[in-house]
Amino acid sequence: ELKVEQNPLFLSMQEGKNYTIYCNYSTTSDRLYWYRQDPGKSLESLFVLLSNGAVKQEGRLMASLDTKARLSTLHITAAVHDLSATYFCAVNNAGNMLTFGGGTRLMVKP
Amino acid sequence: EAGVTQFPSHSVIEKGQTVTLRCDPISGHDNLYWYRRVMGKEIKFLLHFVKESKQDESGMPNNRFLAERTGGTYSTLKVQPAELEDSGVYFCASSQDWFGTGGRAFFGQGTRLTVV
Repeated sequence: ELKVEQNPLFLSMQEGKNYTIYCNYSTTSDRLYWYRQDPGKSLESLFVLLSNGAVKQEGRLMASLDTKARLSTLHITAAVHDLSATYFCAVNNAGNMLTFGGGTRLMVKP
Repeated sequence: EAGVTQFPSHSVIEKGQTVTLRCDPISGHDNLYWYRRVMGKEIKFLLHFVKESKQDESGMPNNRFLAERTGGTYSTLKVQPAELEDSGVYFCASSQDWFGTGGRAFFGQGTRLTVV
């Protein structure tokens, strides 16, 4: 059974700082997704990573995928308050379902 | 373009009652999914429709849950009778392509179900 683990589960950081959220998964896959959720809102698709070594960047967020290590990272550069949200990684390894990590709740303080 | 729409956004019902959740996917998306997040746990897959057919319902917890997708458009998820452990947020998502081909799923805002 595929298991997806994110850490940290909660992250409080100062504006302007850098930090990384980690997403580990237990079985082979080369399809990994990052989502952002604001309270009471839908899960917004951030990145789709479809191969080993894939790197995607948008604004202050950069996601990468290492399928050999079964690891994806979401790096935050010079955080701003608007990035405060819950971030989920999700893996597809078979069929048409996503297996989600537990989510990382990010709070960026001024 | 309208996104995935779910309603109600919140529902509070008593144990033993019936609740029906509705999802309107993005127009043209054949794939429709239901997920849920119970308190403090991960978002879990419930089932997947391709058009009006159930492709995978391996995540449905028990026979108190019934999902339908009439005509391959909107979908409903009925819980009958509801139990306390059914409380959580129910998400619907839709996609044009399969994940195996790099498809991306778009999620609704969820329905928060509270069973008291």
